Amino acid sequence: EIVLTQSPGTLSLSPGERATLSCRASQSVSSSYLAWYQQKPGQAPRLLIYGASSRATGIPDRFSGSGSGTDFTLTISRLEPEDFAVYYCQQYGSSPPYSFGQGTKLEIK
Amino acid sequence: QVQLQESGPGLVKPSETLSLTCAVSGYSISSGFYWGWIRQPPGEGLEWIAIIHHSANTYYNPSLKSRVTISVDTSKNQFSLKLSSVTAADTAVYYCARHPWTGAAAGTFDYWGQGTLVTVSS
Repeated sequence: EIVLTQSPGTLSLSPGERATLSCRASQSVSSSYLAWYQQKPGQAPRLLIYGASSRATGIPDRFSGSGSGTDFTLTISRLEPEDFAVYYCQQYGSSPPYSFGQGTKLEIK
Repeated sequence: QVQLQESGPGLVKPSETLSLTCAVSGYSISSGFYWGWIRQPPGEGLEWIAIIHHSANTYYNPSLKSRVTISVDTSKNQFSLKLSSVTAADTAVYYCARHPWTGAAAGTFDYWGQGTLVTVSS
């Protein structure tokens, strides 16, 4: 099973700043099958990015994903107040189960 | 618009079986996709539990496979989860979700239910 490690655990930034979140896999994720989700308190996760860099329907273009192999990044170009949440990566490049990372909490500085 | 809604007891006694149902609206389960369950213990991360296709093809998380059964009822447009021999470690918010199997988003969960908290306690 592929283990995903996200860093940092918590990221403290101000609105308007740029956020860079990392997801590292224990082995190569085939075909860049890596997704990112956003979760706000009391809500279900929401799919943001799939295929490492494709935005899901309705996701603003300030969200972008990049990477391949074992290293992936979610970038939020200019933070809006509603972007402060917990972000999870998920790999789906091998057979199920498709593991999640432990999450990065993005908090207001 | 695809909508999913979990239902089931919020409190289960240790050693008993947790049973949840996910009702799907806005999309026919028989039309395709896999459908799955994910859980999240309080204050923790997400755990992939199992997925099922309307043909009844299933995949389980090996860490839970011996205790989990996922099933589908196409006549009611719903699918279900059973988790046996529960302990306090199974206390979590349980989510149901749609799981694309083809295309670039295959393997993700693109529509989610709101989640239901299940507490294991005597």
